[in-house]
Amino acid sequence: GQQLNQSPQSMFIQEGEDVSMNCTSSSIFNTWLWYKQDPGEGPVLLIALYKAGELTSNGRLTAQFGITRKDSFLNISASIPSDVGIYFCAGQLSETSGSRLTFGEGTQLTVNP
Amino acid sequence: DGGITQSPKYLFRKEGQNVTLSCEQNLNHDAMYWYRQDPGQGLRLIYYSQIVNDFQKGDIAEGYSVSREKKESFPLTVTSAQKNPTAFYLCASRKTGVAHGYTFGSGTRLTVV
Repeated sequence: GQQLNQSPQSMFIQEGEDVSMNCTSSSIFNTWLWYKQDPGEGPVLLIALYKAGELTSNGRLTAQFGITRKDSFLNISASIPSDVGIYFCAGQLSETSGSRLTFGEGTQLTVNP
Repeated sequence: DGGITQSPKYLFRKEGQNVTLSCEQNLNHDAMYWYRQDPGQGLRLIYYSQIVNDFQKGDIAEGYSVSREKKESFPLTVTSAQKNPTAFYLCASRKTGVAHGYTFGSGTRLTVV
């Protein structure tokens, strides 16, 4: 099946620093989604991207849908301790085939106060 | 409040036993999904259902079974045929036609002892 390569696998940063993570795919997606998962909980949607080249912000978060439709990145500015968690990218090809999402392996973010 | 509920939160099973994980949603969502999450890996799709009385295998369906007798419920049975069942299991539901409309439950951690 389709695979998403997400990097980095983990990050250790100081509070206040900016963070960047990205996902690349071997095939095209029509929708890119970014989720955050707190320990022992389900993922929560952060940002949804629908058009190639689209740049979308949600507070301190900014995400872009790559122009080739095979990649996306997420930036977090001025990190705070509650940003700790696992961040996942997910791609969706189309509304058909059950609208399945393909997930990246996740980026574990640790923020030191 | 509408939401998706998974139970139990923690489950212990002896080797060779079947166990059923519950997933209930009151969001009136048509589609429901089961994912498995292992450390360092993304979410992998086990089964999904787009309508009542219909479901399809995902990428790792072997050793699992599901049913969809009611719109609100999508239980997952982990059978004794699943060779490595210890994992975190996530259920999700989605409103058809909304690409980012996934809602995840808070998960069930299954441990085989």
